[in-house]
Amino acid sequence: GESVGLHLPTLSVQEGDNSIINCAYSNSASDYFIWYKQESGKGPQFIIDIRSNMDKRQGQRVTVLLNKTVKHLSLQIAATQPGDSAVYFCAEKSGNTPLVFGKGTRLSVIA
Amino acid sequence: DGGITQSPKYLFRKEGQNVTLSCEQNLNHDAMYWYRQDPGQGLRLIYYSQIVNDFQKGDIAEGYSVSREKKESFPLTVTSAQKNPTAFYLCASSIEDVGGEQFFGPGTRLTVL
Repeated sequence: GESVGLHLPTLSVQEGDNSIINCAYSNSASDYFIWYKQESGKGPQFIIDIRSNMDKRQGQRVTVLLNKTVKHLSLQIAATQPGDSAVYFCAEKSGNTPLVFGKGTRLSVIA
Repeated sequence: DGGITQSPKYLFRKEGQNVTLSCEQNLNHDAMYWYRQDPGQGLRLIYYSQIVNDFQKGDIAEGYSVSREKKESFPLTVTSAQKNPTAFYLCASSIEDVGGEQFFGPGTRLTVL
């Protein structure tokens, strides 16, 4: 079946550097994508989303890039801070189907 | 404050007992969802509901049951038929029928002894 997955299960970044978390998806009909941040023992929190009619969207310190040609999604975090340490999930959906989540990438920020 | 609440945060049960996890939202959202998360894993959809008195099975519905008698509430029962019930359970809601940004509750960690 269709699936959402991640290239890297863990990522260690020096404080102040930029982080890039990648996500591959296989459903070419997906029209909405979203990134969540989950801290240990808590529920996921919304970071940023993007629709398939866009290829880039920026938020505060975060940017999401969508490449529909290769079905790839990435989350860029600028000037990574210790508080960014968490597990990051991408999710996608097609039409009115529920969100499908990837397995997650753990981001560790080294002070 | 608007949001989603789940209770309790930690729950312990003996094997063979049914247990019901609570999920309440005051966001006036139509759609609600239940996910299961195992250590080091992503979220797997158990059940979801688009409107009151209607719900659909997700990817791993076996051994679980739900009800949606009120818009604000979507309780999940983990039955004795669920072979491996120990997990972190997350409830979510969204303003659209299905999908779109989902708002998550704090989760309930269920441990079956």
